[in-house]
Amino acid sequence: QQQVKQSPQSLIVQKGGISIINCAYENTAFDYFPWYQQFPGKGPALLIAIRPDVSEKKEGRFTISFNKSAKQFSLHIMDSQPGDSATYFCAASWGRREQNFVFGPGTRLSVLP
Amino acid sequence: NAGVTQTPKFQVLKTGQSMTLQCAQDMNHEYMSWYRQDPGMGLRLIHYSVGAGITDQGEVPNGYNVSRSTTEDFPLRLLSAAPSQTSVYFCASRSDYGYTFGSGTRLTVV
Repeated sequence: QQQVKQSPQSLIVQKGGISIINCAYENTAFDYFPWYQQFPGKGPALLIAIRPDVSEKKEGRFTISFNKSAKQFSLHIMDSQPGDSATYFCAASWGRREQNFVFGPGTRLSVLP
Repeated sequence: NAGVTQTPKFQVLKTGQSMTLQCAQDMNHEYMSWYRQDPGMGLRLIHYSVGAGITDQGEVPNGYNVSRSTTEDFPLRLLSAAPSQTSVYFCASRSDYGYTFGSGTRLTVV
């Protein structure tokens, strides 16, 4: 119930292409869905987040698409750049309890020049 | 710069040794957490604190202790290190908008 599934585990995209990472959840109580970006040797950093009252949120080249009925959400990176190469974690949470904040296992994205 | 500061960045321990990972934040966040990151496992919650003097266990608390005497500091203690504790450890503080993570401590237990 508390798990967030994430796919693919790794992704290779050519420069200028679209990167798509998918996440799925079971717990319908989740009400906050952030994405974190982590570069090697660094801690994860909040990239973009969405709440279930909207179906899409866009910030620059990064877009979250949210499908409440399917309990799925995805990150789209348009015009992918080599500098986007990182590990991406989706997450889901509800309320303020730390146990209710769950991370997906991560996707390692490589953008080829 | 404001944020979460972790020390040390790297550490090698022998089995059975103890040590403390330090964490400090200057954002006045009430919520602080310790996570460990292992390949393919994502981030797993070890211990967390909702304010000074209040701590609780997360998903994988065994072998670790924490205390929170001030809002700023949240150290993680390994009582008797085991090879299974080889991992990258992240301290984080949380606002309503999400987590701010430190840069991590890479711990190897031999």
